[in-house]
Amino acid sequence: AQKVTQAQTEISVVEKEDVTLDCVYETRDTTYYLFWYKQPPSGELVFLIRRNSFDEQNEISGRYSWNFQKSTSSFNFTITASQVVDSAVYFCALVSNTGNQFYFGTGTSLTVIP
Amino acid sequence: SQTIHQWPATLVQPVGSPLSLECTVEGTSNPNLYWYRQAAGRGLQLLFYSVGIGQISSEVPQNLSASRPQDRQFILSSKKLLLSDSGFYLCAASSGAVETQYFGPGTRLLVL
Repeated sequence: AQKVTQAQTEISVVEKEDVTLDCVYETRDTTYYLFWYKQPPSGELVFLIRRNSFDEQNEISGRYSWNFQKSTSSFNFTITASQVVDSAVYFCALVSNTGNQFYFGTGTSLTVIP
Repeated sequence: SQTIHQWPATLVQPVGSPLSLECTVEGTSNPNLYWYRQAAGRGLQLLFYSVGIGQISSEVPQNLSASRPQDRQFILSSKKLLLSDSGFYLCAASSGAVETQYFGPGTRLLVL
């Protein structure tokens, strides 16, 4: 069975603080892909990153970074020096090589206070 | 890159009325297409997906149906709306089952 857990329902931080959004996944497949999406108040889901299960190298893109650890089945997302524009709901998702659908977590609502 | 269009953006319908939501995709051929619903509470529920014209898979039994009359057109329909059909409907497209899904702007449906 596939499952994605985002235990943090809501997070509030003050602008310029760093924040980490947690994502824990479950799958029995050895080949799978993990994703992060951002959903701003407008509603459209914006793709942030895709990572395959064989690439555990951490990724950095500007203020965003991702930490993939197969040993703990986690794919955490860190925003450095948060800004008000980062306020959104963030979703983690999983799809395995044998599947045909994405499994989304329930999302983490991030509020950055100016 | 692909672009996903959805309309209408918002819709208010009475209970028992029909529904038709449309999704079209630009910039890719033979995409996988998906309909999701997002009710209050933020979770995304996969309703239907399609890997080709006329091929529809349903994930959740309900009074909704989907059709794919053309390669890049995906339609969500209902003959009689229920109050529980209210929500935010998102269309997504990908080039394959494990590839990135790109989402449209969504349709907010309120059934009264």
